[in-house]
Amino acid sequence: GAVVSQHPSRVICKSGTSVKIECRSLDFQATTMFWYRQFPKQSLMLMATSNEGSKATYEQGVEKDKFLINHASLTLSTLTVTSAHPEDSSFYICSAYIRRGGSTDTQYFGPGTRLTVL
Amino acid sequence: KQEVTQIPAALSVPEGENLVLNCSFTDSAIYNLQWFRQDPGKGLTSLLLIQSSQREQTSGRLNASLDKSSGRSTLYIAASQPGDSATYLCAVGGNQFYFGTGTSLTVIP
Repeated sequence: GAVVSQHPSRVICKSGTSVKIECRSLDFQATTMFWYRQFPKQSLMLMATSNEGSKATYEQGVEKDKFLINHASLTLSTLTVTSAHPEDSSFYICSAYIRRGGSTDTQYFGPGTRLTVL
Repeated sequence: KQEVTQIPAALSVPEGENLVLNCSFTDSAIYNLQWFRQDPGKGLTSLLLIQSSQREQTSGRLNASLDKSSGRSTLYIAASQPGDSATYLCAVGGNQFYFGTGTSLTVIP
């Protein structure tokens, strides 16, 4: 099956610093990647849709200047949390989308990145 | 906007029992529905994917059904084991993917 990796798996940083999270599709090309965040005991909330070679589309309430997304290639998308604050502490998960047309479209998820901002 | 609800929120059963997890969604115009498993602090593991044209999928002890007209899906787990303990999420795919709130399952040895 398709494999998606995330790096790092866990990061602790000081308030005010920036953190970059990478999402890679290892054995397939993904024109679209999604970024989610998950707070404890809650479900995944879509943050943004990242399309290769174009600007990301952010969901309502997500600050695009704070959560910078770059999808420079068909196998790599990055999420940079700028000027991180403790309230940004969360579990961030990416997924890579394989579009085959309609009902067979599916996402493959990365293992997630645990961000803790002190 | 699609809303996905999972019932129950938490479930505790003795080992060996068969159980059913429920997922309901408000907009039947979906491409597919996926069931995932998430262990504490971990990412998602895809269990079953049901395409909109299908009514069910099976994998080992797992069986998932889909009824688009009523906006419901069920995940049936046969002969539950302690290793099945995890949070189970359903997600419906249309123009976007929407996740349910999850069911936290505990299988007691």
